[in-house]
Amino acid sequence: AQRVTQPEKLLSVFKGAPVELKCNYSYSGSPELFWYVQYSRQRLQLLLRHISRESIKGFTADLNKGETSFHLKKPFAQEEDSAMYYCALSGKESGTYKYIFGTGTRLKVLA
Amino acid sequence: EPEVTQTPSHQVTQMGQEVILRCVPISNHLYFYWYRQILGQKVEFLVSFYNNEISEKSEIFDDQFSVERPDGSNFTLKIRSTKLEDSAMYFCASSDSFSGNTIYFGEGSWLTVV
Repeated sequence: AQRVTQPEKLLSVFKGAPVELKCNYSYSGSPELFWYVQYSRQRLQLLLRHISRESIKGFTADLNKGETSFHLKKPFAQEEDSAMYYCALSGKESGTYKYIFGTGTRLKVLA
Repeated sequence: EPEVTQTPSHQVTQMGQEVILRCVPISNHLYFYWYRQILGQKVEFLVSFYNNEISEKSEIFDDQFSVERPDGSNFTLKIRSTKLEDSAMYFCASSDSFSGNTIYFGEGSWLTVV
């Protein structure tokens, strides 16, 4: 079954500390993986997609197909990074694509 | 940068009333979606829509829900007879492809059923 797992509901780090938000997925084909960020009741915003291999706001994520993981990392957390982070996959099933979201991880960056 | 826009931003309705949530997708997009997020829970897929018909729907999207694109720009979600458990943030989204391209979300409509 298609599934996205984010094991941590809450992650608290101090400003300047490294951050790693975990995401594992279960999918039989070749999905596309994304990270979305949601600041305090705002819209979901795309942060990263694995095929673009870019760094946004200092965040990076590498798709590890062997471990079926797509962890989000940032070497030095900033207070403005505090938000909900959702890992998502897009995959084809029954002829159509749909997105499946993980349960989200709330990141709190402490001063 | 073009955005998906949604109205209303917040609506309070009595249980049993009909609600229509409106969305204007990004203009050149052809694929439309509704998701919902109950407070404190994850984002859940409701329905996808393409070429004036539903492409896929989840088990949440029962007979109380319907979608339509009445005028070529708006994309609406109707809840026929609201229940308390329909209280959630409803996100509209659109994309230009089903081929795994990025979907763009609106700011959401908070629905509170009392």
